[in-house]
Amino acid sequence: EDQVTQSPEALRLQEGESSSLNCSYTVSGLRGLFWYRQDPGKGPEFLFTLYSAGEEKEKERLKATLTKKESFLHITAPKPEDSATYLCAVGRRDDKIIFGKGTRLHILP
Amino acid sequence: EPEVTQTPSHQVTQMGQEVILRCVPISNHLYFYWYRQILGQKVEFLVSFYNNEISEKSEIFDDQFSVERPDGSNFTLKIRSTKLEDSAMYFCASTRDSQETQYFGPGTRLLVL
Repeated sequence: EDQVTQSPEALRLQEGESSSLNCSYTVSGLRGLFWYRQDPGKGPEFLFTLYSAGEEKEKERLKATLTKKESFLHITAPKPEDSATYLCAVGRRDDKIIFGKGTRLHILP
Repeated sequence: EPEVTQTPSHQVTQMGQEVILRCVPISNHLYFYWYRQILGQKVEFLVSFYNNEISEKSEIFDDQFSVERPDGSNFTLKIRSTKLEDSAMYFCASTRDSQETQYFGPGTRLLVL
């Protein structure tokens, strides 16, 4: 069965304390892995799409990497405004997207 | 920057009533989707729509649900007879190509009493 598992469920960091969020997946026919940010009561906001193992993408303090079984979202020197839930999702070749439960990230000033 | 919009932002309804949730996808996008997120749970796929027909649907999307693109801009989700367990955030998403990233709207919070 296709599955997306994110860890940890929640993470509290001090401002400036770098860390990584993990997304492990099993899917038949991966067409892409997506990272979204979701603020409370809002829709998922697109961050990155990764298509193949070894691929990396960066945006400001965030960097996403992909292997054949997992993806990492690295956060370097985070700020309080980076506090949000980070969602990982995998796209299947039949057009469906399967989301993980997310990691709730809280950055303390 | 173009974005997906949804109306209403909040909807409260009585059990058994019909609701229609509306979405305006990004204008040059061709693939449209509905998802739902029950409070505290993961985002779940409901249905995908392309070329005026459903291309995929999940087990959640039963006979009580329907989708429509009534004109060139709107994309709607109808729930015929709402149940308490339909209470959730409903997100619309769109993409230009099914292989590309999906962009999400802000959601409609549906509360069924």
